[in-house]
Amino acid sequence: EVQLVESGGGLVQPGRSLKLSCVASGFTFSNYGMNWIRQAPGKGLEWVAYISSGSSYIYYAETVKGRFTISRDNAKNTLYLQMTSLRSEDTALYYCARHTMGITDYWGQGVMVTVSS
Amino acid sequence: DIMMTQSPLSVAVTPGESASISCRSSKSLLHSNGITYLSWYLQRPEKSPQLLIYQISNLASGVSDRFSGSGSGTDFTLKISKVETEDVGIYYCVQFLEVPWTFGGGTKLELK
Repeated sequence: EVQLVESGGGLVQPGRSLKLSCVASGFTFSNYGMNWIRQAPGKGLEWVAYISSGSSYIYYAETVKGRFTISRDNAKNTLYLQMTSLRSEDTALYYCARHTMGITDYWGQGVMVTVSS
Repeated sequence: DIMMTQSPLSVAVTPGESASISCRSSKSLLHSNGITYLSWYLQRPEKSPQLLIYQISNLASGVSDRFSGSGSGTDFTLKISKVETEDVGIYYCVQFLEVPWTFGGGTKLELK
């Protein structure tokens, strides 16, 4: 069974940093690209970042480019999102999701990030 | 960026009846490889999104065949036949043709 479990969220002040993790199990993590996708409270879905299976290809939404860094450790089956210079508009539930051949199929349960003073 | 527009914003359906949701993209989602990268998701209340349909009309594993997708180019439709209680939630279309991948605003399905 595919499982994606996010962690690392919480309440953080504007301008500070936070690092999210997503531990994968039930599939060969190193064979799949991965996404971070977020959902602000009461709002729709917004793609944040993508990393290919071997980390050769990395893409970001313009809203986070230069502030967020996606990375992965295939030996640990773990995906990361380093978030810096956080803003109130980054407040959201952050999902990690598996991606292959143009399909994002499995999603984690999400981790909440709240940016507030 | 490719803009994805869904309609209606919400739909109320009598159980057992059908519902259709429309999704329009600002650019054709047909790749040069012949694949159209349009997917549909259902987000049930307080749950993570679930993949329903990929590449216009392919049913995801474990998804009821009451769901079907159609369309081409820039116009797509998700149809739900014989609506059940478990179908309640918000439906999203998304394009995976080019980054930034973009989602429609969502269509909320409720029961009458």
